[in-house]
Amino acid sequence: DAGVTQSPTHLIKTRGQQVTLRCSPKSGHDTVSWYQQALGQGPQFIFQYYEEEERQRGNFPDRFSGHQFPNYSSELNVNALLLGDSALYLCASSLAPVPNYGYTFGSGTRLTVV
Amino acid sequence: GQQVMQIPQYQHVQEGEDFTTYCNSSTTLSNIQWYKQRPGGHPVFLIQLVKSGEVKKQKRLTFQFGEAKKNSSLHITATQTTDVGTYFCAGPLYSGAGSYQLTFGKGTKLSVIP
Repeated sequence: DAGVTQSPTHLIKTRGQQVTLRCSPKSGHDTVSWYQQALGQGPQFIFQYYEEEERQRGNFPDRFSGHQFPNYSSELNVNALLLGDSALYLCASSLAPVPNYGYTFGSGTRLTVV
Repeated sequence: GQQVMQIPQYQHVQEGEDFTTYCNSSTTLSNIQWYKQRPGGHPVFLIQLVKSGEVKKQKRLTFQFGEAKKNSSLHITATQTTDVGTYFCAGPLYSGAGSYQLTFGKGTKLSVIP
């Protein structure tokens, strides 16, 4: 049973550039949530996708956008990268768009902005 | 705003000693979830508590949900080096328009001295 798959695992970008991160949810899961985790901090909610629509959004600027495809996989796009965007980006999948079930996290994408 | 808080931030214990981390929410929760993140890893779902006063055990780990459903604790008996990592609690906090976001605390980082 495949878990959550994220790519790439590591990425180095320059300030001002754009980046796309990808996520394939666990088999049977149709909801994808994206989190940003700075070093030594807890995961911060970016947004959630269900039925190919953004259902919820955390306190992140419009530079952060996403997409969900018919096969439930998802992308996170960040435009105009800032140094402060350096973090571990985690994708989590779940059975439904309500947080009443445990989330399954991928291994994350470590983004470094220089 | 609404938040989930955890204490302590760090805990160093001698192998064989007990460990407890506490989680408090500013609002009543429908459920509380616990995750473990090993160094360099990603959060892994441990358990979900739903009922007021609920206590669940997983081997040496005991999880408790407060009567008011606003606080929770994780207790590890006789810690082992395999328990090293950061333990996060997470709860669904209302984000408006009938939606709830799974919100994480900042975590308690456990170090075990052999």
